[in-house]
Amino acid sequence: KQEVTQIPAALSVPEGENLVLNCSFTDSAIYNLQWFRQDPGKGLTSLLLIQSSQREQTSGRLNASLDKSSGRSTLYIAASQPGDSATYLCAVHMDSNYQLIWGAGTKLIIKP
Amino acid sequence: DAMVIQNPRYQVTQFGKPVTLSCSQTLNHNVMYWYQQKSSQAPKLLFHYYDKDFNNEADTPDNFQSRRPNTSFCFLDIRSPGLGDAAMYLCATSTDRATNEKLFFGSGTQLSVL
Repeated sequence: KQEVTQIPAALSVPEGENLVLNCSFTDSAIYNLQWFRQDPGKGLTSLLLIQSSQREQTSGRLNASLDKSSGRSTLYIAASQPGDSATYLCAVHMDSNYQLIWGAGTKLIIKP
Repeated sequence: DAMVIQNPRYQVTQFGKPVTLSCSQTLNHNVMYWYQQKSSQAPKLLFHYYDKDFNNEADTPDNFQSRRPNTSFCFLDIRSPGLGDAAMYLCATSTDRATNEKLFFGSGTQLSVL
């Protein structure tokens, strides 16, 4: 059974720092992995989607990497800003199932 | 422009009183999903529609029902809400159920049960 873990559960860093959020999964037979952002009391916004054949995807200051063999993905945020404060969730699609398997998220706080 | 719209934003109901949450989309997507998310937890898929085809998750309680009268609208009905059903309910859409599709979420409805 696939399990997705995000550590740490919360992270607080000063503005301007580069940071890395981690996502690990137990079953490497994934189809793709997505990173989402969720603002307090709001829905989710898809940030990046990495197919299993890809190593990374970039969007602006965000870069997501995928290492299927080790069961890891990272979300790199460059030059963090207070507006980046949110909860970041990763989710994987399995080859065998349409359903997303979710991590519980990392709550990120960027201090001005 | 909002593409997936959920109403109301906040809903308060009484224990046992039926409640309906609504979701509409302007994306013309085939698939609509309903998720339940409790505080600091990952979203949990309740069910989804692929066009008119309803797909219920095995562990979704019978208390939860859904209707999709047309492509644009989908409703979540909770027949007899319990205190444990207080949560954020998220609607999402995608063009296809294929695993390479991004999901588009609404802003959610926060349900309180008194």
